[in-house]
Amino acid sequence: ETGVTQTPRHLVMGMTNKKSLKCEQHLGHNAMYWYKQSAKKPLELMFVYSLEERVENNSVPSRFSPECPNSSHLFLHLHTLQPEDSALYLCASSQVWTGGTGELFFGEGSRLTVL
Amino acid sequence: QQQVKQSPQSLIVQKGGISIINCAYENTAFDYFPWYQQFPGKGPALLIAIRPDVSEKKEGRFTISFNKSAKQFSLHIMDSQPGDSATYFCAAGSARQLTFGSGTQLTVLP
Repeated sequence: ETGVTQTPRHLVMGMTNKKSLKCEQHLGHNAMYWYKQSAKKPLELMFVYSLEERVENNSVPSRFSPECPNSSHLFLHLHTLQPEDSALYLCASSQVWTGGTGELFFGEGSRLTVL
Repeated sequence: QQQVKQSPQSLIVQKGGISIINCAYENTAFDYFPWYQQFPGKGPALLIAIRPDVSEKKEGRFTISFNKSAKQFSLHIMDSQPGDSATYFCAAGSARQLTFGSGTQLTVLP
């Protein structure tokens, strides 16, 4: 596989469920990101990991818990979510963490629906 | 001050026409201005980017125009094609962050 792959592509969960989103990048990059995409809103940065260390967390609710076991894999653990958390969750990677001046490579996203 | 305002929200253009999408920013610390293109069911992909030391950058049919004094930049798509139909996001970046606009859904009619 090439690029950034995300699984599952679609997920429906109840508010009391616990689930995880998985991201894998095959580009040899050192930084990985989680973004939230809601309709007609700007992409919202949630977490950034550089060399497996979290370098950015934009005040995301604790019901979202990231995990980066190595530079190729990134998880987003979900628990007790709210309906307003329904969105497309995008994983991205970049060669290095430069704040906001480098190219991001996005996966196709995981469409989450919270009932 | 961290926002990037993008307009229009949606745009319909005839095949062969020019598509123009505009963005404005406030934070003068931004020094990297990319445009991302997103097709349905896909993630965004970098289309073209500019830094503020130039006023224009052209790649094929796509051109970024940048006005530093007005803190505005725009994407021009010349000879628009149905295959250009997608959502376009502008963004503004600095050493600390990348801020996206809210997106423009472009439809090019055959």
